[in-house]
Order: sequence, then structure tokens, then C-alpha cells
Amino acid sequence: NAGVTQTPKFRILKIGQSMTLQCTQDMNHNYMYWYRQDPGMGLKLIYYSVGAGITDKGEVPNGYNVSRSTTEDFPLRLELAAPSQTSVYFCASSYSRAETGELFFGEGSRLTVL
Amino acid sequence: AQKVTQAQTEISVVEKEDVTLDCVYETRDTTYYLFWYKQPPSGELVFLIRRNSFDEQNEISGRYSWNFQKSTSSFNFTITASQVVDSAVYFCALSEGGGSYIPTFGRGTSLIVHP
Repeated sequence: NAGVTQTPKFRILKIGQSMTLQCTQDMNHNYMYWYRQDPGMGLKLIYYSVGAGITDKGEVPNGYNVSRSTTEDFPLRLELAAPSQTSVYFCASSYSRAETGELFFGEGSRLTVL
Repeated sequence: AQKVTQAQTEISVVEKEDVTLDCVYETRDTTYYLFWYKQPPSGELVFLIRRNSFDEQNEISGRYSWNFQKSTSSFNFTITASQVVDSAVYFCALSEGGGSYIPTFGRGTSLIVHP
């Protein structure tokens, strides 16, 4: 099993550009998440989804959008990139609400906005 | 208010030393879960353990042990006889039963084990 796969692993954007971080999981998990990790700040939840067609904001959603058209995919869209969005982004999934803490993470996507 | 506090930003030890990583949490829920994750230099986070609020039994897994104390709202992680491969950032996390169960992470503790 591939688990959670994120692409791209690295990306440099110019201020104002847009891009989509892709995330797919092959474990048939209902819950999916996007976190960002900044040095010394832990992981902050951007958006999450409890199933196809259902998404909700996390702690730091501004500047991002998500969609969940299938169980497998949960892309994160950055509109009008800003230097404050320079971070490492992690996609994660879990099977059920009761086990939401047992997350399976992707390898991360390092984004730099210049 | 920060719900998960990992006061130790970085810990440096020499191989074979024992080391304890502290985690203090805050919640009003009676049902909650606590977790530890490991992030090695490769970057991917790996789940280590989950504990629910009704089970205060300590747990041991090889060189790893966890001490959960509701009286002090702590869930500390001890590595016995540390090894270089234990070098990583370790995150404590909390999910609350009264909410969405989405885990909130602490800021992490960077553990450096020197040979």
C-alpha cells in the first residue's frame, strides 16, 4: 500500500501565484486533513474533511481552499501565494471519528513563496 | 489557550542515556485521547501511541514508555538507553471527545542523541 501520497515534494512560488497541493490515500479512510508545519510551531490544522463532499475549516484556513470529490483525494489550493504561506504542508488521513488521532501522514510538501 | 504544552524545545543527550519528554495538556472534556508522534529527519510523522482518558495505565513498548497522570494533566514519554536513531522531533497531541476529535498538536521537542 502506498498510504498517503503528496505531490509535489518541493515547490517555489512567486508572490501572487496559485497552485494546488495534491493528496491521495489508498486506505479507504473517511477523514482527511491538511496541516502546515512552521519551525518551532508544531502542526496547525488548515482544513479537514470527514467524507466525500464534506469539508470544514481548521485553525488557519485563510488563503487556502479545499475540495473532496472522492474518498481518495483531498487537494489543497493556494490562491495568491504570500510569503507567510512558506511552510511544510502535511496531508493526513484516518479511518473513523473515534480513531481520528491515529493519523497516517504523507511525506510532506515544502513550499517556498518568494 | 494552548491545549498541549511541550516546554522542552530541544534536548541533547549522549547515547545510552535515559531521556523523558514532557507533555502537559489542557481540556475540560472527560473523554479525550492523547498521542505521541515521531518525526525523524526524513520528515514523515509516525504515530507512536494513543491513550484514552479512562485508562491511566502506563505503557511500555521496548525502550519506550509512557506515563499518563490525570492529576497533573501530563502524558510524558521516556526513552530508555537512547540510541542515535531516536534523534527526531517528538510531538504530543490531544483530541477532545466533546468536539470534532481532530487532534491538536504541541510544538514538539527536538531530541538529539549523540554517539
